[in-house]
Amino acid sequence: QKEVEQNSGPLSVPEGAIASLNCTYSDRVSQSFFWYRQYSGKSPELIMSIYSNGDKEDGRFTAQLNKASQYVSLLIRDSQPSDSATYLCAVTPGGDKIIFGKGTRLHILP
Amino acid sequence: GAGVSQSPRYKVAKRGQDVALRCDPISGHVSLFWYQQALGQGPEFLTYFQNEAQLDKSGLPSDRFFAERPEGSVSTLKIQRTQQEDSAVYLCASTQAGARGDTQYFGPGTRLTVL
Repeated sequence: QKEVEQNSGPLSVPEGAIASLNCTYSDRVSQSFFWYRQYSGKSPELIMSIYSNGDKEDGRFTAQLNKASQYVSLLIRDSQPSDSATYLCAVTPGGDKIIFGKGTRLHILP
Repeated sequence: GAGVSQSPRYKVAKRGQDVALRCDPISGHVSLFWYQQALGQGPEFLTYFQNEAQLDKSGLPSDRFFAERPEGSVSTLKIQRTQQEDSAVYLCASTQAGARGDTQYFGPGTRLTVL
């Protein structure tokens, strides 16, 4: 079992709707959780980090963490065409290295 | 510097050649990471430095891969006797302090193509 699992997509969402991206991880001692956005041909850029159970909001983005279920999600409200990208979930499973999922391709339909 | 820089941005190598990829982290950043990203995949961890110390090299796929950061700033990833399966984008990232819980800033990557 891969340490970080994401649905590869593509996930198609109409402009203005809510996009919901999900991620599960296998290592229960994981402490830090990140969502990165990666445009085609570009390097990843951090969108959100979350460390404790619950929700964390930043503008149109909300990260949700449930450590008991080993589940982290990202909600994007009022989706825009510029949100079309691959979203990478990343986890620190203990130690210092960060494990990335394969990413979910998100396509916002104008 | 303003951000993480990597050079070269593109490298084409013939199978069997040695290559060296350079990463200049953000000035003052303590930790530096190397990742390999194949097409359609997420970045795969290769190795990690804290200052000049290589604390984790568990992700290096074979002994053909070698990384160093001798003065705790610039790092070089060397691949000896390149194979076609080494073709990927190699990403470097740096963090201000330790890795855990710290924001990673990525460079633009080096796209390696092995013919």
